[in-house]
Parts: sequence; C-alpha cells; structure tokens
Amino acid sequence: GAVVSQHPSWVICKSGTSVKIECRSLDFQATTMFWYRQFPKQSLMLMATSNEGSKATYEQGVEKDKFLINHASLTLSTLTVTSAHPEDSSFYICSASRQFEELFFGEGSRLTVL
Amino acid sequence: AQKVTQAQTEISVVEKEDVTLDCVYETRDTTYYLFWYKQPPSGELVFLIRRNSFDEQNEISGRYSWNFQKSTSSFNFTITASQVVDSAVYFCALSPNTGGFKTIFGAGTRLFVKA
Repeated sequence: GAVVSQHPSWVICKSGTSVKIECRSLDFQATTMFWYRQFPKQSLMLMATSNEGSKATYEQGVEKDKFLINHASLTLSTLTVTSAHPEDSSFYICSASRQFEELFFGEGSRLTVL
Repeated sequence: AQKVTQAQTEISVVEKEDVTLDCVYETRDTTYYLFWYKQPPSGELVFLIRRNSFDEQNEISGRYSWNFQKSTSSFNFTITASQVVDSAVYFCALSPNTGGFKTIFGAGTRLFVKA
C-alpha cells in the first residue's frame, strides 16, 4: 500500500539553528502534500499545503519565513524550521494523497529546541 | 465554515465494554470525505476508515463499526468489547472538496481502556 515516510523521527537542536524535515511518498506520486503541527495533547493543525513545482500555501497565522516548505519533486516535500526557538518544539506530521483516496500520513517528526 | 467537533475529551472504560466515540461535522460542500484516525502513545497516526459523502452505508470491521448519518452530520465510531490496546487518541477528520481536500481534524477523544 501507499506509504509516506518522514525523516528524522526525532531531532534535538540548539536555539537559533535551522532544522529540515523530509516527507517522502514511497510508492506513489504526490502532487500535493500537507504539513501539520501537533502540540502536546492537542489536535493536528494544518500549517501549509505543499504543491509540487510551486509555492506552498500557508494557513493563516503560520509564518512562511519561519517554516520554509519546498516541494521539489513528486515524491519529496521538505519543511525547514528556520532559526528555531523553544516555542517551535512540537510534533510535525506530513501527509500526502492520491486524489480521492485517503490521506497517508508520515510517522511524524518530534522537534525539541533547547 | 468547515468544522469537526468531538465533544468527548476523554473516555475511560473497563476492558470488554463497548464504547462509542462521537463526531459531528460541518461543511457546505456536497462532496467530502470523513475519516477516523488512531494515535497511540507512540505518536504515529493510524488510518482506520474513510467514508465519502455519497456513501451512507454503515461499516463494520472486526470490533470496529462506524455509523454515518448525513441527516445529523455525524460519523460515530464504536469499539465493541474494548481491549487495553485500544487505548489511544482517536481523531475524526473532514476533507471537504473546497480547498483541494485538505483535512480538518477534530480535537480528538482520548480513550483509556483499563484491564
């Protein structure tokens, strides 16, 4: 079945550094991928829609300069958290779908900023 | 407005009890998808079911069953004979046609199943 893989699963970084998270669709081409953020004991909030070959569409309140999204190919989208601060610590999850099918989620990436 | 409401924040049951998780949604789209996902303590999201807006048939999969009622905009999930391994957070989600089927999640219901 379709699989979406995220890397890394865990990342700890120092405040001020940038962190890149990759989201790959392993056996299908995803023209659209979605990035979500989940705070502890809360729901998943959509951050942005990543479109292959074009700029990402960000949800209201999400800083596009802080969370850089690149969807360079049909199987890869990356989320870069720039100049990370402790408040950026969270669980980040990506998803991809083939049209009219269920969303396939990555395993999630837990970011801890010290 | 597109919205998913899971009114039950936490539910605690004893093993072998049946439990129903409620989900009410709002959308003006006529074409949409509804989902249930399970998030165990390890954090990954596990897909349970997808239902499109034109298919109101109820579904049963082992101990799991889903009741989709368009008239009340509800998509409830029942676990029969619950087990400790069912302990997790369960999310109901809506993917409306507007916006390219991006998914909106409910707040989640945390289920505790005690032995």
